[in-house]
Amino acid sequence: DTGVSQDPRHKITKRGQNVTFRCDPISEHNRLYWYRQTLGQGPEFLTYFQNEAQLEKSRLLSDRFSAERPKGSFSTLEIQRTEQGDSAMYLCASSTLVGQGANTGELFFGEGSRLTVL
Amino acid sequence: GEDVEQSLFLSVREGDSSVINCTYTDSSSTYLYWYKQEPGAGLQLLTYIFSNMDMKQDQRLTVLLNKKDKHLSLRIADTQTGDSAIYFCAETPSGGSYIPTFGRGTSLIVHP
Repeated sequence: DTGVSQDPRHKITKRGQNVTFRCDPISEHNRLYWYRQTLGQGPEFLTYFQNEAQLEKSRLLSDRFSAERPKGSFSTLEIQRTEQGDSAMYLCASSTLVGQGANTGELFFGEGSRLTVL
Repeated sequence: GEDVEQSLFLSVREGDSSVINCTYTDSSSTYLYWYKQEPGAGLQLLTYIFSNMDMKQDQRLTVLLNKKDKHLSLRIADTQTGDSAIYFCAETPSGGSYIPTFGRGTSLIVHP
């Protein structure tokens, strides 16, 4: 199966520690998105890449959050100096470019990385 | 900005029809989607509709779009226990980034 994969699936950390999540998108997908989902809420957009370019990062929750996609393939999301309010599910999704071929704008999601900050 | 609203819960009996409703605010929405999330799994696209359509039918699923009222609905006919999940409405604005905005999700519970 060549779907979107995320690692780790679950991370428990102490407040103040740094954490990094990795996302491997579907290989032919140009776009990669990061969303955050808290309990009872829908996915909240954080940032996205088109190939290796990060085209929108104003929605990252604070300057403690950063994301990279160095070679236009996998991506990492880092949270520095974690706080208890960062506890959430971090979702990665990928897609082809809207308007490319028969693309409907569908996002393909991974299963998420759950962060628990103690 | 974009805002997508959904009711949080719906409970139906197996075999009945389910109707999940959604309202959105962005009149420039190009694509509107319904995603399904089962416990412990990622979101998966269930169906979509383009903004120039009023209705789309796909097997047991019927999507209705009222652009005037900015209202989207998903009807599931002959609802099964396997349909129990959270259903998210999402919309993508036109003109550039095409980044979907999601609602809070409607938790559908199907009773035997």
